[in-house]
Amino acid sequence: GAVVSQHPSRVICKSGTSVKIECRSLDFQATTMFWYRQFPKQSLMLMATSNEGSKATYEQGVEKDKFLINHASLTLSTLTVTSAHPEDSSFYICSASRWQFYEQYFGPGTRLTVT
Amino acid sequence: DAKTTQPNSMESNEEEPVHLPCNHSTISGTDYIHWYRQLPSQGPEYVIHGLTSNVNNRMASLAIAEDRKSSTLILHRATLRDAAVYYCILRVSGNTPLVFGKGTRLSVIA
Repeated sequence: GAVVSQHPSRVICKSGTSVKIECRSLDFQATTMFWYRQFPKQSLMLMATSNEGSKATYEQGVEKDKFLINHASLTLSTLTVTSAHPEDSSFYICSASRWQFYEQYFGPGTRLTVT
Repeated sequence: DAKTTQPNSMESNEEEPVHLPCNHSTISGTDYIHWYRQLPSQGPEYVIHGLTSNVNNRMASLAIAEDRKSSTLILHRATLRDAAVYYCILRVSGNTPLVFGKGTRLSVIA
């Protein structure tokens, strides 16, 4: 069945540095990929929608210059958190959908801690 | 997006059936009803979805009211591994994002 991976699974970085998170669809081509953020004891919040070869669509309140999304192929999307601050510490989850399937397939998540 | 309303939490004994309700009184004719669940420290996983008719799969059953204003996710025999947050989500098409509400936190007691 459709598998989505994320790398790394957890990362600790210093304030002011940038962190890149990869999201891959392992056995299918993803028509669209989505990025979510989840703070402790809260629900998932949609950050952006990403289609291969085009600019991501960001949700209101999400800074596109801070959260850079690149969707270079049908199996890979990356999220770069630039100039990370402690308030960016969160659980980042990607998901992917494929043509004519209603399921959305989620990655295992990346826990980011900014010190 | 049409909104859904779910109880904050529910509790079940192991090996007993669990009925998780969801109200969606403003559902439109093109909205599919999706259920996902999220185990602790993991990404969500698909459980089931339906449009008008009741649906069954290996994980659960979905009972949809005739007027489609509510639905119930049925876990036939809860196990400890079913302890998770269950989300009921309305969605028009496969390429639109899932918008998560607060969901129902299911606890399963041994």
